[in-house]
Amino acid sequence: NAGVMQNPRHLVRRRGQEARLRCSPMKGHSHVYWYRQLPEEGLKFMVYLQKENIIDESGMPKERFSAEFPKEGPSILRIQQVVRGDSAAYFCASYAGSDTDTQYFGPGTRLTVL
Amino acid sequence: QKEVEQNSGPLSVPEGAIASLNCTYSDRGSQSFFWYRQYSGKSPELIMFIYSNGDKEDGRFTAQLNKASQYVSLLIRDSQPSDSATYLCAVDGGSNYKLTFGKGTLLTVNP
Repeated sequence: NAGVMQNPRHLVRRRGQEARLRCSPMKGHSHVYWYRQLPEEGLKFMVYLQKENIIDESGMPKERFSAEFPKEGPSILRIQQVVRGDSAAYFCASYAGSDTDTQYFGPGTRLTVL
Repeated sequence: QKEVEQNSGPLSVPEGAIASLNCTYSDRGSQSFFWYRQYSGKSPELIMFIYSNGDKEDGRFTAQLNKASQYVSLLIRDSQPSDSATYLCAVDGGSNYKLTFGKGTLLTVNP
């Protein structure tokens, strides 16, 4: 959905560098989900955040990955010391929080680790 | 481990035919069911969602849900070449509304 913004759209990093992926949800949405899509795989849930809170990080790798959604500004998914296996498309989805609403996906960030 | 399985495909149908996409899920507590379409290199785009048993129609698309059989399907009538994409089935287990996705079925509609 055009209302969810992600940047950068493409990110190239060398092994060992840090990657920072940003997501601005749709206006009025305070819930953000991050999903990862590895090549030839389906989307996998990583983390669910509300403003200033991590609600569910059960899908996040235990090491090197972290996420935040500050009071002001976009949600950030941070990957430290990237490895080739981190190469994937990372999608952010935003949600209003109503039972009748659904998640709307941003355009994604395609991370390539050289 | 909650699982969502889709017919592996790829599925190829002629233009104008009905395309049938199937999905089963393991978690009986699942509440909501979604079909997303994803063109190559693009993000998932919501096509339909369904909460209750039975059929739900929207234009050329019909979603069918059978909770007893833990089965959800998507029918695309009068298939068009522009429908060629990967179709993702997603299930919301009700816990924090996080979605569990199947691996997708690649549909090709031949002119």
